[in-house]
Amino acid sequence: KAGVTQTPRYLIKTRGQQVTLSCSPISGHRSVSWYQQTPGQGLQFLFEYFSETQRNKGNFPGRFSGRQFSNSRSEMNVSTLELGDSALYLCASKGTGGENIQYFGAGTRLSVL
Amino acid sequence: AQSVSQHNHHVILSEAASLELGCNYSYGGTVNLFWYVQYPGQHLQLLLKYFSGDPLVKGIKGFEAEFIKSKFSFNLRKPSVQWSDTAEYFCGAAGNKLTFGGGTRVLVKP
Repeated sequence: KAGVTQTPRYLIKTRGQQVTLSCSPISGHRSVSWYQQTPGQGLQFLFEYFSETQRNKGNFPGRFSGRQFSNSRSEMNVSTLELGDSALYLCASKGTGGENIQYFGAGTRLSVL
Repeated sequence: AQSVSQHNHHVILSEAASLELGCNYSYGGTVNLFWYVQYPGQHLQLLLKYFSGDPLVKGIKGFEAEFIKSKFSFNLRKPSVQWSDTAEYFCGAAGNKLTFGGGTRVLVKP
């Protein structure tokens, strides 16, 4: 079974631009969560999608948004990029049937100049 | 609000030394507990998990963790570390969402 796939692996953007990151979960997984990892703040939860609906949300500004498609693939969008948005963005998927384990992708490293 | 704290930010040890990483969580309901590891340049991997039952759980690569409900703790241990255990370790607690501690960077000197 293929793991969680995130694209692209690296991105360089400038302040004020917007960016879209993509995540393909493990086949059969319907829950996708996004996290931001920075040296100063560690791993912070952004949001979780399940069956195309946002199920949970962390404490990030409205510039951070996401969506999930009917095939469970998810995208995360950040608008009006700020220098502080430079981070590793991780996606994780989780299966159903009571298995409460998140499986992580390799991440997308975003640099905002 | 759900929160997780890890006691140490950085730990440096020599090979064959014992390792213990502290983790405390704050959560009002039933919680699932995890330790994840991130080796240099690699993605987060699950080391072990606790859902219920025996509070002493064993994971991969010789790691184990003990859940102490009265102390809201889930400490990670390994009796004898190897150079390949150099990594960053994250404790997580999941109620309705997975919350991580700040991480502990472990450097094992050969």
